Amino acid sequence: AQSVTQLDSQVPVFEEAPVELRCNYSSSVSVYLFWYVQYPNQGLQLLLKYLSGSTLVKGINGFEAEFNKSQTSFHLRKPSVHISDTAEYFCAATSNTGNQFYFGTGTSLTVIP
Amino acid sequence: DAGITQSPRHKVTETGTPVTLRCHQTENHRYMYWYRQDPGHGLRLIHYSYGVKDTDKGEVSDGYSVSRSKTEDFLLTLESATSSQTSVYFCAISETHPINEQYFGPGTRLTVT
Repeated sequence: AQSVTQLDSQVPVFEEAPVELRCNYSSSVSVYLFWYVQYPNQGLQLLLKYLSGSTLVKGINGFEAEFNKSQTSFHLRKPSVHISDTAEYFCAATSNTGNQFYFGTGTSLTVIP
Repeated sequence: DAGITQSPRHKVTETGTPVTLRCHQTENHRYMYWYRQDPGHGLRLIHYSYGVKDTDKGEVSDGYSVSRSKTEDFLLTLESATSSQTSVYFCAISETHPINEQYFGPGTRLTVT
């Protein structure tokens, strides 16, 4: 079975500073990777996804992620965060032979004014 | 926004009582999922459906059952609620699997006293 590990449960960062949220996955087959964001008291919405092709994926709200197969990582980055980016971020994975999504435990990003 | 509604949005119930949560979609998507979200665990799949009357178990299915008699509705039933089932429950839908994103409903906060 696949597993997804988010290495940081909480990340505080000052406004306009860069941020990286880390995600590692375990899989021996082709993998599809996703980042979702959850604002307080809301459901999850997709930020970006990697299916194939270019390893650098750009998403909404200025976020991007890089797929690194050798390190089995899919870290999320933003060069300059805003207060409105304060939220919970989830990394998820699935495969072309699987029938389930596997979510990490989440990273709470707090942007400090 | 994808047309997904969940009802009720909040519910408090007593241990041992049956509870049914409803997920309704207007997108005509084939796949529907029920997750629970708990601190430190992220989202965990309870059950999912890949068509009318076609369902399968996820990683935390014990104590839960589901039914899907119509494309648009996916019901989650707790036959005899326990305090360990206090959680936030999210429904999600997907047009295809596994590469398409999942669209999430707003969630149901269930408290079992």
